[in-house]
Amino acid sequence: GQNIDQPTEMTATEGAIVQINCTYQTSGFNGLFWYQQHAGEAPTFLSYNVLDGLEEKGRFSSFLSRSKGYSYLLLKELQMKDSASYLCAVRGDRGTGANNLFFGTGTRLTVIP
Amino acid sequence: EPEVTQTPSHQVTQMGQEVILRCVPISNHLYFYWYRQILGQKVEFLVSFYNNEISEKSEIFDDQFSVERPDGSNFTLKIRSTKLEDSAMYFCASSETARSSYNEQFFGPGTRLTVL
Repeated sequence: GQNIDQPTEMTATEGAIVQINCTYQTSGFNGLFWYQQHAGEAPTFLSYNVLDGLEEKGRFSSFLSRSKGYSYLLLKELQMKDSASYLCAVRGDRGTGANNLFFGTGTRLTVIP
Repeated sequence: EPEVTQTPSHQVTQMGQEVILRCVPISNHLYFYWYRQILGQKVEFLVSFYNNEISEKSEIFDDQFSVERPDGSNFTLKIRSTKLEDSAMYFCASSETARSSYNEQFFGPGTRLTVL
């Protein structure tokens, strides 16, 4: 089965740094994605990790430890527009060529002034 | 910038009716997916499609569901006899490849299905 855990909600202050954690237990692993989803909108891609370590992309960074089944998304210099849900998703299947993602429940981040 | 489009944006139907949700994936993409998100819950995989056939499907994707690529651009999800619990946002996504090490899935804006 697939089990992906994230905190339900977080609050942080504008200009600060926030770290959103994700732990996963999946039957296969072929990469971990972070998506941002504003209320009522589609998920939009933020980052991808398949090897251990940190991937940096502007104000966003994502870290992966495959041995621990753990990832985090780091958001720096928070802006009000960063208020959204952040979805951790694992690509679990390598065999069939399919590429389906298994999503966590998402972490709703609220940025306050 | 190319994007995935979906129609309609909102569909209201009576229980037991058939609905068809339409998607136009990004033109050079080869893999297509349907996901659903029940209000307040997580995004759930339904089905993936490649080379004119289903690659993989979840246990949600039962005999009431079917997918089709009727022409070179559209990708449809049909629910044969809708139930109340089918009410959700349905997202279509596409990706260029599946086997490459980096493969972003691009999501459409979604169709909100309401079953009464």
